[in-house]
Amino acid sequence: GQQLNQSPQSMFIQEGEDVSMNCTSSSIFNTWLWYKQDPGEGPVLLIALYKAGELTSNGRLTAQFGITRKDSFLNISASIPSDVGIYFCAGPTGTASKLTFGTGTRLQVTL
Amino acid sequence: DTEVTQTPKHLVMGMTNKKSLKCEQHMGHRAMYWYKQKAKKPPELMFVYSYEKLSINESVPSRFSPECPNSSLLNLHLHALQPEDSALYLCASSPTSGKKDTQYFGPGTRLTVL
Repeated sequence: GQQLNQSPQSMFIQEGEDVSMNCTSSSIFNTWLWYKQDPGEGPVLLIALYKAGELTSNGRLTAQFGITRKDSFLNISASIPSDVGIYFCAGPTGTASKLTFGTGTRLQVTL
Repeated sequence: DTEVTQTPKHLVMGMTNKKSLKCEQHMGHRAMYWYKQKAKKPPELMFVYSYEKLSINESVPSRFSPECPNSSLLNLHLHALQPEDSALYLCASSPTSGKKDTQYFGPGTRLTVL
């Protein structure tokens, strides 16, 4: 099946630093979603992207839909401790309802 | 109300027990989903209900039995589970099952099978 690979796998950064992570696929996606998951909780939608080249912001978060439609990027500016968690990219595959998740990027923020 | 709720939050059960997980949403969404998530892994789709009908079963063992009594409720009935079924079970909903319909997740039920 389709796989979404995220990098880096994990990041340790200091509070105030900017963060970049990406998600790549071997096949084309028409929608990219970015979720954040805190330990023991469900994923929370951060940003949804629907068009190649689209750049969308949500507060300190900015995500881009790659022009090849095979990748997407998420940036977090001026990180704070509550940014800690696992960030997943996701996209619908096959039939409309099937959401495939990426491998995840675990973010740790130190003071 | 933009929330998906799940009960219980935690569940411990033996391999011979029968239990049920519950999920509820009041956003008027017509598609609901069950996902299974093992530790340090991404969620994996189990079932999809669209307009209260089962539309996708991802080859899930029959010891997991989903039920959608109405458009707001989704249950997952559990029977004769194995220890390897221990995981976080996530429910999600979306307006319809269309590709552009974003899925919203509940907080999950942490299941431990002894």
